[in-house]
Parts: sequence; structure tokens; C-alpha cells
Amino acid sequence: GAGVSQSPRYKVAKRGQDVALRCDPISGHVSLFWYQQALGQGPEFLTYFQNEAQLDKSGLPSDRFFAERPEGSVSTLKIQRTQQEDSAVYLCASTHGEALSYEQYFGPGTRLTVT
Amino acid sequence: AQKVTQAQTEISVVEKEDVTLDCVYETRDTTYYLFWYKQPPSGELVFLIRRNSFDEQNEISGRYSWNFQKSTSSFNFTITASQVVDSAVYFCALSVWENYGGATNKLIFGTGTLLAVQP
Repeated sequence: GAGVSQSPRYKVAKRGQDVALRCDPISGHVSLFWYQQALGQGPEFLTYFQNEAQLDKSGLPSDRFFAERPEGSVSTLKIQRTQQEDSAVYLCASTHGEALSYEQYFGPGTRLTVT
Repeated sequence: AQKVTQAQTEISVVEKEDVTLDCVYETRDTTYYLFWYKQPPSGELVFLIRRNSFDEQNEISGRYSWNFQKSTSSFNFTITASQVVDSAVYFCALSVWENYGGATNKLIFGTGTLLAVQP
């Protein structure tokens, strides 16, 4: 079956521009996560949805970052007024339950470069 | 605080050598899960294994084996007879419950170990 997909795969933005990154989770997956991976680092948690409810946004680095999942499936991560430190790979993951034990299935990521 | 440490930044081996990737974790929770993920050059994280905090049995899957020791808070990963296709970044991750008005089971990753297997 289809895995997690993300679009675009690559995005170049000029400093100050707004960007929107899309995630299509595996069909039927309840939980959706966004992570940010800087070059040479491990992924870092940004936010978590259970269906359409955003239960944890503690990892969002500033109020320029905003995520939504209005119908409990597709999610969008929006970054306003992008800055150079926002350059990273943004990973989306989904899992069919909310238990600790479920492995998260990751998409290929969106590589954002802010110039 | 929850933390995962992968002290080895890069490892280079020659094909057919055995290699062990170290992972040390910190948590005060008694219930948690540990994971290993592989990230090949294509970038997509691939799940390898999951272990819960109550099961300290070692596991073997083909050329891969995992050694979980709660006494030392370690969850090490060994590849036997390495192959060029094993070249990737390997991440160890910890999953615990945290409450921010609702529980979340986010993954806490280490910084990864880049494994290069030379032919």
C-alpha cells in the first residue's frame, strides 16, 4: 500500500517568504507527527495530532510555525516569514494508534532551504 | 528529562566486518519503548526494531542483532558480516508518554551514527 507522502520534496524560499509543507499519512492512521531534522542531526519533534486534534505543539520553535489537520487526514505545516535557521528537512510520520509501542512510518521529507 | 546518546558519530568498516552501534538512553519512566531506524542516502527513515522496557531478551534478525541492558540503559545494535548496502545513518530513539494537556508518544532521537561500509 501507499506510504506516507510529502510535498514538495524540495523547497527554496527567500528569507521572509511564507511556505506550506504538505503531508499525506497512511490511510486510516490516527496519529500524525511532524519533526524537523537539521543537517547532521537527529529528527526533533515539532507537533502531534490525534485525528484532527493537535494534542502537543510543544516542539514548534516559534509562533511563525503553525500546523493543521482539519479533517484528520492530510496535514499542513506552515512557516511564516521564513528565516535561515528554518533550513532543514521536515519529516512527517504517522501511526495507526496512539500507543507507545507503535512504530512511526516516515515520509521522505521536505528539504527546505531559506536563502 | 528524556535523552538518547549515540556517542559514535561515524564508523567506517570494510565489508564482512562486524560492527556495533552504541545507544545510551535516559528516562525516569518505567514504561518506554526503544527503536532503531535506518536512514539511507535517500533520506527516508526505515523502521528496524522496537523493544519495550520490560523485555530484556536479545533479538536477532538475520545479520542484525540487538542487546538491551536496562542496568546500563543501553540498547546496542550489531551488524554481522556488514555489506555495502548497510551504509546509512542509524538512529536510536526513545518513546515515552508526556503530558501537555493530552498524552503524546513522540520519539526522542539520538544524533545518529553514520556507518560507511567499504567494499
